[in-house]
Amino acid sequence: DVVMTQSPDSLAVSLGERATINCKSSQSVLYSSKNRNYLAWYQQKPGQPPKLLISWASTREAGVPDRFSGSGSGTDFTLTISNLQAEDVAVYYCQQYYYFPPVTFGQGTKLEIK
Amino acid sequence: QVQLVQSGAEVKKPGSSVRVSCKASGGNFKSYPISWVRQAPGQGLEWMAGIIPIFGTPHYAQKFQGRLTIAADESAGTAYMEMSSLTSEDTATYYCVRESSPWTGSHEPFDVWGQGTMVIVSS
Repeated sequence: DVVMTQSPDSLAVSLGERATINCKSSQSVLYSSKNRNYLAWYQQKPGQPPKLLISWASTREAGVPDRFSGSGSGTDFTLTISNLQAEDVAVYYCQQYYYFPPVTFGQGTKLEIK
Repeated sequence: QVQLVQSGAEVKKPGSSVRVSCKASGGNFKSYPISWVRQAPGQGLEWMAGIIPIFGTPHYAQKFQGRLTIAADESAGTAYMEMSSLTSEDTATYYCVRESSPWTGSHEPFDVWGQGTMVIVSS
């Protein structure tokens, strides 16, 4: 199975500052012929199911604020949250969906306000 | 916009089985891959199994092979998950999820999530 490793496990960032979460896959999730990375980011708030934020490593879902951005290719990816807002407090997960079965998730990164 | 509505919480004894349903409303069901993902209390997300309703062939994570069965009823727009030989380690919230596009030959992220079904396994 492809192992997804996120770093850090938790971080605290001041309001208005930038948060950066990393995700590394044990195998490349880049489909070269389509030039697409099969990597998604989810946000989960307490008591709620996860919400898809970013697909294909860098494509924001409709309605997701533009302060959320994704980057990276192959095996190394980053979720950046600029101008952190109080409502961004959540656990964030990366997921690869290139290799199936199984799709695999990172262990999660807990984001708090400093 | 499609919604996935899951059946209610369950409390089960160790060694028993549980069945969870997931009904799609407001959108296409049969050509979208559906998966089941679980989350133990305070833990991360774990993919369990997936199915494309129009094909009907399920795929399972190896750790659940033999005690997990998933199925989809196209006409009812409903997916089902049944797991047997429950232990306390199966205490979790179980989500049905739908991929973001109809099946085109490769998988996509999960853009629709059910509300979750809490399963508690306790003697």
